Amino acid sequence: KAGVTQTPRYLIKTRGQQVTLSCSPISGHRSVSWYQQTPGQGLQFLFEYFSETQRNKGNFPGRFSGRQFSNSRSEMNVSTLELGDSALYLCASSLGVGTGELFFGEGSRLTVL
Amino acid sequence: GIQVEQSPPDLILQEGANSTLRCNFSDSVNNLQWFHQNPWGQLINLFYIPSGTKQNGRLSATTVATERYSLLYISSSQTTDSGVYFCAVLVITSGSRLTFGEGTQLTVNP
Repeated sequence: KAGVTQTPRYLIKTRGQQVTLSCSPISGHRSVSWYQQTPGQGLQFLFEYFSETQRNKGNFPGRFSGRQFSNSRSEMNVSTLELGDSALYLCASSLGVGTGELFFGEGSRLTVL
Repeated sequence: GIQVEQSPPDLILQEGANSTLRCNFSDSVNNLQWFHQNPWGQLINLFYIPSGTKQNGRLSATTVATERYSLLYISSSQTTDSGVYFCAVLVITSGSRLTFGEGTQLTVNP
């Protein structure tokens, strides 16, 4: 079956703009979580969604937000982009909250100029 | 929160050599996963191993939950094994939040 699908794969934005990233989980998986990877900070948890509700949130400013739809697909949004938001954004899916193995998508690589 | 430490941070091998990567964690965990990050950034699942030992081809992993560490063994390494290996743990009270180590950068030379 299909894995976790993230779009777009690459994008370039300028400071002050906003961006929306999309994640489609593995069929049957209802939990979607997001991670940011930067050279300086490593892999950091952003937030987790299950049943259209945010269940957990990492230590990121309010410019980072997300949502989940009834089909479990998730989007994350970053508003008022800063240079430091340049990163690889990874989405993971799992069957449920704290349940079993997490599987990651290929990531969305964001460059902010 | 839980701390995850991986060692060594960097490892350079000749093709055919064996290696052991270590992951120490500071608290009890409900889930431990090993990943290989490919050059395009995707995290490839290697093992889901909260406890015990598993093997998959040339790779095997052991987690000793009571002593809070996990080991990843790579035997007869190949150049395609190069990349970053991450250990990540999950504590049930944190939902599906994985805490990652800083990774081991493995380079296998021909």
